[in-house]
Amino acid sequence: AQSVAQPEDQVNVAEGNPLTVKCTYSVSGNPYLFWYVQYPNRGLQFLLKYITGDNLVKGSYGFEAEFNKSQTSFHLKKPSALVSDSALYFCAVSSISGGYNKLIFGAGTRLAVHP
Amino acid sequence: DTGVSQDPRHKITKRGQNVTFRCDPISEHNRLYWYRQTLGQGPEFLTYFQNEAQLEKSRLLSDRFSAERPKGSFSTLEIQRTEQGDSAMYLCASSPTHHEQYFGPGTRLTVT
Repeated sequence: AQSVAQPEDQVNVAEGNPLTVKCTYSVSGNPYLFWYVQYPNRGLQFLLKYITGDNLVKGSYGFEAEFNKSQTSFHLKKPSALVSDSALYFCAVSSISGGYNKLIFGAGTRLAVHP
Repeated sequence: DTGVSQDPRHKITKRGQNVTFRCDPISEHNRLYWYRQTLGQGPEFLTYFQNEAQLEKSRLLSDRFSAERPKGSFSTLEIQRTEQGDSAMYLCASSPTHHEQYFGPGTRLTVT
């Protein structure tokens, strides 16, 4: 069965410092990995994805993520955090089944960036 | 705005009533998904449409739930005889391929 773990309920970081939001996954076959962000009372917004190719993927708003197959991880990173990055972040995994991908989400990590 | 839209944004209903939600996907997307998100959790998959065909339903989708996508355009999700446990955010997403999905703002359901 596919699963995603986000081991931290909340991550606190000072503005200007680097941030990391952790994600590990379990999936049979090659994983498709995604990060989404959710602001209050809004839907999920796509940040970035790993399908194949380079292990370091770059996405929106200066975020990037590193795919590590041996550690089954896909941590989200940003070199310099902004207060406006404060939100709920979800990691998701899927594998193609029947020509479509059903996303399995982690429980989410709340990122708080302090001025 | 050409994103995914959902209506209504909020719905308060009494237990036992029926409710229906609507999702309008991005126009060229033939794949449409419904998810449910409860407080403190990530979204959980409910059902998937490719064009008008409903290809998968989660075990979370009890007999009280039904979804349609007539003509492969908008989709509706109906919950009959609502229960307090149905209170959640219902999210719709659409996709042109089997890669990233684009989510709507969600419909927040409160069953009293």
